[in-house]
Amino acid sequence: ETGVTQSPTHLIKTRGQQVTLRCSSQSGHNTVSWYQQALGQGPQFIFQYYREEENGRGNFPPRFSGLQFPNYSSELNVNALELDDSALYLCASSLNWGDSTEAFFGQGTRLTVV
Amino acid sequence: KQEVTQIPAALSVPEGENLVLNCSFTDSAIYNLQWFRQDPGKGLTSLLLIQSSQREQTSGRLNASLDKSSGRSTLYIAASQPGDSATYLCAVDSGGGADGLTFGKGTHLIIQP
Repeated sequence: ETGVTQSPTHLIKTRGQQVTLRCSSQSGHNTVSWYQQALGQGPQFIFQYYREEENGRGNFPPRFSGLQFPNYSSELNVNALELDDSALYLCASSLNWGDSTEAFFGQGTRLTVV
Repeated sequence: KQEVTQIPAALSVPEGENLVLNCSFTDSAIYNLQWFRQDPGKGLTSLLLIQSSQREQTSGRLNASLDKSSGRSTLYIAASQPGDSATYLCAVDSGGGADGLTFGKGTHLIIQP
């Protein structure tokens, strides 16, 4: 059973550019969620995909968008990068969602915007 | 809006001590509560999941309790070891997916050899 994997591990982008981060969910998991973690803070929920449909979104602007593919892997796209977008981006996968659902996280992608 | 607070923000103790990390949340209508460990610059490792109908969960030297009515959870670490040094995060699921997990800022734990 493979865990959650994210790519790339590190990325440096220039303000105004666009970036795509990728996540492969744990085998058998159909739900993927994305989080942004600024230095010294807890992760903040960006959005969640369940069976290729977005079914929940946090307080992030529309320039943060995503996709989930038929194999349940996922992408996070961020347009018009700002300096404040510099953070660790975490992907989590789970099987469905409910009171017994445990979320498993990847190692994250460290994005630096200069 | 759910808010999660973790106390203390940082803790440094000698090896071998038993310790308690605290987590409080403002809305008791939760699906579950999960404790995670995060090493510097790394992802999150799930430690324990407590469902809303449960009072506690145990895994090895770790024990987590949940009191929904008072909006509190504690993580008890027995016989602490230097390898336990990390940031411990508490997260609650309040929306069954629609709101994701709401995290506290974590407790930064250092175990002195």
